[in-house]
Amino acid sequence: ETGVTQTPRHLVMGMTNKKSLKCEQHLGHNAMYWYKQSAKKPLELMFVYNFKEQTENNSVPSRFSPECPNSSHLFLHLHTLQPEDSALYLCASSQGAGRAGNTIYFGEGSWLTVV
Amino acid sequence: AQTVTQSQPEMSVQEAETVTLSCTYDTSESDYYLFWYKQPPSRQMILVIRQEAYKQQNATENRFSVNFQKAAKSFSLKISDSQLGDAAMYFCAWRGAQKLVFGQGTRLTINP
Repeated sequence: ETGVTQTPRHLVMGMTNKKSLKCEQHLGHNAMYWYKQSAKKPLELMFVYNFKEQTENNSVPSRFSPECPNSSHLFLHLHTLQPEDSALYLCASSQGAGRAGNTIYFGEGSWLTVV
Repeated sequence: AQTVTQSQPEMSVQEAETVTLSCTYDTSESDYYLFWYKQPPSRQMILVIRQEAYKQQNATENRFSVNFQKAAKSFSLKISDSQLGDAAMYFCAWRGAQKLVFGQGTRLTINP
């Protein structure tokens, strides 16, 4: 059983829909992350939250809106997405965002298909 | 900017044999860690092994070991006694204070 849980595992949405991805970590960590994994591209960091505060937004379009209500939960709200946004979205957590030695642990990912 | 390069898109090995996956990186930072992650068909990214840059001793985790050459900025993964369950995408990653940067990945196939 993973310490980082993502729901839903699969999501199909239309370009005008609004949906959300949810992530929960049970590891007592303080930092949470969203990564995007597309075919033929390295993993791309999207957002970083450290103690509920957003510390990094990697030039992500505003149609992706993250929310971190507490250190254990992270959401990615999706609105008016494009087909090229179809990808695997991976949530991750670590003890803290600012130390190289803090290993990042990943969830199983949410497969998003935009039609 | 930090970069991580995996020059082998695909590798294959016979079951029970040894295989080495290559990784090079570029960084100007002095405090960093290096990781190998495994991504099986389930798509979860699983930590395989990690190496502190300030340690000269190569990390080992059961059948997995690394060859860390700091001056050459090289960080290869050796898998001994390969098993069918080792089949996956393997990603090399560099972690500094603010970022985790991944390579493009190497798809490892295990031949029975």
